[in-house]
Amino acid sequence: QVQLVQSGAEVKRPGASVTVSCKASGYTFNTYGIVWVRQAPGQGLEWMGWISGYDGNTYTAQKFQGRVTMTTDTSTSAAYMELRSLRSDDTAVYYCARHKGGRDGYNRGTFDYWGQGTLVTVFS
Amino acid sequence: QPVLTQPPSVSAAPGQKVTISCSGISSNIAANYVSWYQQLPGTAPRLLIYDNNRRPSGIPDRFSGSKSGTSATLGISGLQTGDEADYYCETWDTSLNDERVFGGGTKLTVL
Repeated sequence: QVQLVQSGAEVKRPGASVTVSCKASGYTFNTYGIVWVRQAPGQGLEWMGWISGYDGNTYTAQKFQGRVTMTTDTSTSAAYMELRSLRSDDTAVYYCARHKGGRDGYNRGTFDYWGQGTLVTVFS
Repeated sequence: QPVLTQPPSVSAAPGQKVTISCSGISSNIAANYVSWYQQLPGTAPRLLIYDNNRRPSGIPDRFSGSKSGTSATLGISGLQTGDEADYYCETWDTSLNDERVFGGGTKLTVL
């Protein structure tokens, strides 16, 4: 069965960086994309960006450009999202999700399986 | 401010039917496919509907989706207490470089 297992909770100081990992199993990693979505406490869902599991092409939402780097390791079927220059309003649960139809682009398809989420807390 | 507009909350009694609206504009909902996600308390979102009205395997046919113009609707019939959750619509917006956008979410209460 398809599973996305994310790394554990993190606590960071403002200005630091955090990397969240997402280990996929149960499907052929390079035939789908991965998206990252975050959810601040008590708030809605916010799309951060997409990476192709096929060729590593990425698109980062404008809001996060310059602060986010997404990568994959196809040898281990894992995806990573690094967020830099953390601020208190980056405190959120970060989700990875499999992007069905998203092997070649982010403007198509849907997010059919989700990781369990990783809580990132930023405070001084 | 979310790009897509949903009512903050809806409620209905067990066994009844409820609909949740998602309002957008010509560059998002009218132009592209809509997905719906269910988020039970304390859990990750789950895909309910994609391509406006298609259900993934394992999603009961009590859940339905439709789209007309710049609005999409999620329908849930035969409400159960286990349907209490937040529901989100989602699509991409061609005026925002095709970025993916979510509605603000709707809290469903089953009375």
